[in-house]
Amino acid sequence: NAGVTQTPKFQVLKTGQSMTLQCAQDMNHNSMYWYRQDPGMGLRLIYYSASEGTTDKGEVPNGYNVSRLNKREFSLRLESAAPSQTSVYFCASSANGGSYNEQFFGPGTRLTVL
Amino acid sequence: DQQVKQNSPSLSVQEGRISILNCDYTNSMFDYFLWYKKYPAEGPTFLISISSIKDKNEDGRFTVFLNKSAKHLSLHIVPSQPGDSAVYFCAAVMEYGNKLVFGAGTILRVKS
Repeated sequence: NAGVTQTPKFQVLKTGQSMTLQCAQDMNHNSMYWYRQDPGMGLRLIYYSASEGTTDKGEVPNGYNVSRLNKREFSLRLESAAPSQTSVYFCASSANGGSYNEQFFGPGTRLTVL
Repeated sequence: DQQVKQNSPSLSVQEGRISILNCDYTNSMFDYFLWYKKYPAEGPTFLISISSIKDKNEDGRFTVFLNKSAKHLSLHIVPSQPGDSAVYFCAAVMEYGNKLVFGAGTILRVKS
């Protein structure tokens, strides 16, 4: 049981390049999330998916797109990377229910945009 | 405008003593609060939570207190251990919601 896995762990891009961050979970969770963590800012929600086939914007969605490929996988795409997108990106998942469910996080992807 | 605030960027405590981490929030619609712990190069892990209908929740060495009228919560760690050294994030969510709102985090250093 690997929990939430993310690839790659590290990535350096040049301004304007594109890339996709991959996330997968093996806990049969319905909901998946993408966050970014910046110094002094905590974690901010980029996009989330409450169930397979649905996605919704979070607090900071500009410059990103997401795909909920199936129940296990949720990818984050940067179409044209900018230095402001230098950050650590975390994927998370949670079960659904009538009330709040704990979110489980992956180890993160450290992205640098030059 | 930050809805969840952790005003202390860092805290240093001697091993065996109490660590108190504080968190304030502004949105009265939040009704569930969580603390996450994060080690370097790892993702955050859930530590403890509290519902707005309670004022205290305890789990071993960790206790979270909630003061709804002051919109304030705190995490107490007793006794503190060197392995508790990490970044602690406070987070809040509305009922039946799944969008966590995080504070900026507090770096805890426990000295042996």
